[in-house]
Amino acid sequence: DIQMTQSPSSLSASVGDRVTITCRASQDISNYLNWYQQKPGKAPKLLIHDTSNLQTGVPSRFSGSGSGTDFAFTISGLQPEDIATYYCQQYDDVPFTFGPGTKVDIK
Amino acid sequence: EVQLVESGGGLVEPGGSLTLSCAASEFTFSRFAMNWVRQAPGKGLEWVSTIGSSADSTLYADSVKGRFTISRDNSRNTLYLQMNSLRAEDTAIYYCAKGSGGAPGFQYFQHWGQGTLVTVSS
Repeated sequence: DIQMTQSPSSLSASVGDRVTITCRASQDISNYLNWYQQKPGKAPKLLIHDTSNLQTGVPSRFSGSGSGTDFAFTISGLQPEDIATYYCQQYDDVPFTFGPGTKVDIK
Repeated sequence: EVQLVESGGGLVEPGGSLTLSCAASEFTFSRFAMNWVRQAPGKGLEWVSTIGSSADSTLYADSVKGRFTISRDNSRNTLYLQMNSLRAEDTAIYYCAKGSGGAPGFQYFQHWGQGTLVTVSS
């Protein structure tokens, strides 16, 4: 199975800050990497697919980059409504696996 | 807007069975793969199972293989998950998720339902 790791596991930042989360796969997954946002008590929501493609309707302050085994997710100007846990997920191979999540808070 | 509404969750004893349903609307259900993803209380996300658009191909996580069966009824726009031999570790919120394409592999979870809670306990 492809193992996904994320860092940090949690972070606290101020409104307007640039926030970056990294995700690493245990083997090359090309660009088959997605990012999901899960707000407390809510279902996950797809933000970015195929490493860097913004899902329709997602604000442009969210972005993704990377390839192979190393990926990054960035919020370029943190907003109060971005308080959530963010998960990366690979779909290069079955089983589809998620990272453990990064909890983002407002300082 | 895509709508996915799960139902069928509840409290069941270890070794028992339960069938979850997911009613889909506002998209052409028969053209997309469908998935189940679960989340144990306070934990992360775990993919459970996927079924192709024409139901001819299914995938399962090792943790549920042989105990869970995914199926769909394209005439009723409904996805199912039959869960047998339930264990305490199956306790979770079960989410239905629409795939991005018709084939079960190489598709991401584009839209999610609100989930249904399954609790396995005596």
